[in-house]
Amino acid sequence: DAKTTQPTSMDCAEGRAANLPCNHSTISGNEYVYWYRQIHSQGPQYIIHGLKNNETNEMASLIITEDRKSSTLILPHATLRDTAVYYCIGKPIYGQNFVFGPGTRLSVLP
Amino acid sequence: SAVISQKPSRDICQRGTSLTIQCQVDSQVTMMFWYRQQPGQSLTLIATANQGSEATYESGFVIDKFPISRPNLTFSTLTVSNMSPEDSSIYLCSVENTQGHTEAFFGQGTRLTVV
Repeated sequence: DAKTTQPTSMDCAEGRAANLPCNHSTISGNEYVYWYRQIHSQGPQYIIHGLKNNETNEMASLIITEDRKSSTLILPHATLRDTAVYYCIGKPIYGQNFVFGPGTRLSVLP
Repeated sequence: SAVISQKPSRDICQRGTSLTIQCQVDSQVTMMFWYRQQPGQSLTLIATANQGSEATYESGFVIDKFPISRPNLTFSTLTVSNMSPEDSSIYLCSVENTQGHTEAFFGQGTRLTVV
């Protein structure tokens, strides 16, 4: 799995966009970028994943740089319920397991 | 997405005893995994639960301490044996490659406290 680097923590004002960065400069060509989040006392929740094109779903948008060395998860209108630890993981779509780093602790402030 | 039920959701156990955690999935899945999350830490993979064969353990985890069963494609158990306070953690079941999805889905976890 690609090693990823994320900021330890971030704050975001409620209603504003939360932009969570992730560096994955050693990512391989067959590795996707996955994002999960873990709200306190719950199991990790899948958010989104992508290979090289930008992706959007009902939860978030994923912007991957053209060289694939970094990406940004965007929560367009953060709410208090988005307060969680966000994990960025590089992994082939098949095979290998998900390896979780320390993630980014996002605090959405009222 | 897969619906994963873990039992128990939490337990307080005496040191030296064992606890078996159950993971039930609402559909057949290829891959099932067990993770541990120690207080304030990220998730660490314990083992891959293989259907019909012995589990594959990660470095630092052994079968005698964490025996795993997977009798079919929808169910698995993890036993934490001869518990000590250091085993106090959240234990999570995860599945992959279900119903055309390649992402992993997680149960809500079992919060274990050993006293």
